[in-house]
Amino acid sequence: AQKVTQAQTEISVVEKEDVTLDCVYETRDTTYYLFWYKQPPSGELVFLIRRNSFDEQNEISGRYSWNFQKSTSSFNFTITASQVVDSAVYFCALRGAGGTSYGKLTFGQGTILTVHP
Amino acid sequence: DAGVIQSPRHEVTEMGQEVTLRCKPISGHDYLFWYRQTMMRGLELLIYFNNNVPIDDSGMPEDRFSAKMPNASFSTLKIQPSEPRDSAVYFCASRTRDGGHGYTFGSGTRLTVV
Repeated sequence: AQKVTQAQTEISVVEKEDVTLDCVYETRDTTYYLFWYKQPPSGELVFLIRRNSFDEQNEISGRYSWNFQKSTSSFNFTITASQVVDSAVYFCALRGAGGTSYGKLTFGQGTILTVHP
Repeated sequence: DAGVIQSPRHEVTEMGQEVTLRCKPISGHDYLFWYRQTMMRGLELLIYFNNNVPIDDSGMPEDRFSAKMPNASFSTLKIQPSEPRDSAVYFCASRTRDGGHGYTFGSGTRLTVV
């Protein structure tokens, strides 16, 4: 069975602070894919990144960066110099590549990020 | 591309009534997914299709729920009869075969059963 745990239910920061959202996953698949999605107050789910299990290279996209560590089954997301527009619910998700987990995107419970001006 | 299109955006219905949610996936996407989001249970996968064929419906909560995909450009999720505990946001998503650009979600249908 697949499982994604986002231990931080809510995080509150002041604008320009850096913030890291934690994600820990469990899977028996040797090949899998990890995702982060953003859900702003308007409610839609916005795709941010996909990472393959065989690629542990960290990624940076503007103020966003992701740290994938297979040894600790973690895929953490850092926002540098946070802005009010970053306020949203952020979801980490996992998809296996074989058997019954193929195709299924399993979500964590989400972390509510509030950035205060 | 217009993205994944869901209708209606909001639906309010009385308990016992039939509800039909609709989804148009992105053209060329092989997979279609129905998710439900509630405060208590988060985002749950209900069912998904590959090339219009249902692959896994283990997340469908009860026989009251049914989903169809008669062709590559249209899917429905039906609840009959509806109950207050079905109140949730229902998302439809689609992706390509390799999922390289992730799953694209629709804007969701907010269902309220009173």
